[in-house]
Amino acid sequence: KAGVTQTPRYLIKTRGQQVTLSCSPISGHRSVSWYQQTPGQGLQFLFEYFSETQRNKGNFPGRFSGRQFSNSRSEMNVSTLELGDSALYLCASSETSGSTLGSQYFGPGTRLTVT
Amino acid sequence: GESVGLHLPTLSVQEGDNSIINCAYSNSASDYFIWYKQESGKGPQFIIDIRSNMDKRQGQRVTVLLNKTVKHLSLQIAATQPGDSAVYFCAENISGGYNKLIFGAGTRLAVHP
Repeated sequence: KAGVTQTPRYLIKTRGQQVTLSCSPISGHRSVSWYQQTPGQGLQFLFEYFSETQRNKGNFPGRFSGRQFSNSRSEMNVSTLELGDSALYLCASSETSGSTLGSQYFGPGTRLTVT
Repeated sequence: GESVGLHLPTLSVQEGDNSIINCAYSNSASDYFIWYKQESGKGPQFIIDIRSNMDKRQGQRVTVLLNKTVKHLSLQIAATQPGDSAVYFCAENISGGYNKLIFGAGTRLAVHP
């Protein structure tokens, strides 16, 4: 099976712009989670989608949003970019969600730089 | 590659030695734990997981130990190889929290020939 894929791999944006990142989970996986990784804060959970529904959300401002499509592919959007949004954005997919947890597998990430 | 963490604790070992990486997790309600390995410029790679009804689980060259009494997790790597050099993260999932992982700060493993 192909792994989790994320596009684009690298992105440079300027403050105030918005950005959309894409994630394709492993075939058959219905849960997609997003994480932000920075040297200062480490890996932090953004949100999780399962069957097109957001199941959980981390402590990020409303500028961070996401969605999931019927084929389980997911996108996350960041509006009104700030310098502090520069980070590696990681997507992880899992077969299950809820009480029966499965292993989460990560993609390579999208490196976002805000100037 | 990019820097995963600027001031991570570092464990330095000789090639062939066994490595033990420790992690203190935060929530007594966590019931599922995962160890990940992250190399520079890559996403975290799943190594091994363990559920809270177990205290030990073995994989290929790796063993995870869970001590719920003191909320401690460890990863043992046997016969450490240069390719094991990376940052290692433990992650916990709180029961009922769906797939929301809480990650530790990470430990950098440096393997010397």
